[in-house]
Amino acid sequence: NAGVTQTPKFRILKIGQSMTLQCTQDMNHNYMYWYRQDPGMGLKLIYYSVGAGITDKGEVPNGYNVSRSTTEDFPLRLELAAPSQTSVYFCASSATSRGSGNTIYFGEGSWLTVV
Amino acid sequence: GENVEQHPSTLSVQEGDSAVIKCTYSDSASNYFPWYKQELGKRPQLIIDIRSNVGEKKDQRIAVTLNKTAKHFSLHITETQPEDSAVYFCAAGGSNYKLTFGKGTLLTVNP
Repeated sequence: NAGVTQTPKFRILKIGQSMTLQCTQDMNHNYMYWYRQDPGMGLKLIYYSVGAGITDKGEVPNGYNVSRSTTEDFPLRLELAAPSQTSVYFCASSATSRGSGNTIYFGEGSWLTVV
Repeated sequence: GENVEQHPSTLSVQEGDSAVIKCTYSDSASNYFPWYKQELGKRPQLIIDIRSNVGEKKDQRIAVTLNKTAKHFSLHITETQPEDSAVYFCAAGGSNYKLTFGKGTLLTVNP
């Protein structure tokens, strides 16, 4: 059981380039998330998904796109990379259950630098 | 939407002392309050959480208290050790399964 796995771990992009951060989870979680963490700051939600075929915007979705074709995978696409997208990106997942709140499990993070 | 404020932003204590980190939230519908610990270069990891039907929860040296009326919750670490040094994040969430995080507290435990 690997949990949440994201790739690549490190990447340097040039301004205007595009790339996809891959994320997969093997816990059969319905909910998946992408957060970004800027230096000295908390985590901000980019996009989330409540199940295959369903995605929704978080706090900071501009410049990103996601898809959720399977329960396991939730890739994050950066189009036309900008220096403001230099950050650490965390994919995460949580289980569905009744009631309030569920533990969110994070991947190891992807360090992205746009130059 | 939800807004979570966390204080202090940095906290330095001597080994063996207690540390307290406080958070406030704005959305009265929030009912799930986890705390995450993040070591340098690592992923955030859940250390304790509390739900709105509980006022206090303890796990060994770590405890969390919740005051729903005042919309604040706190993390208490007793008998701190150097390995407790890390960034701690509070978060608030509700039935929509989204979490809003505070900006974090850098805790340094001095030997």
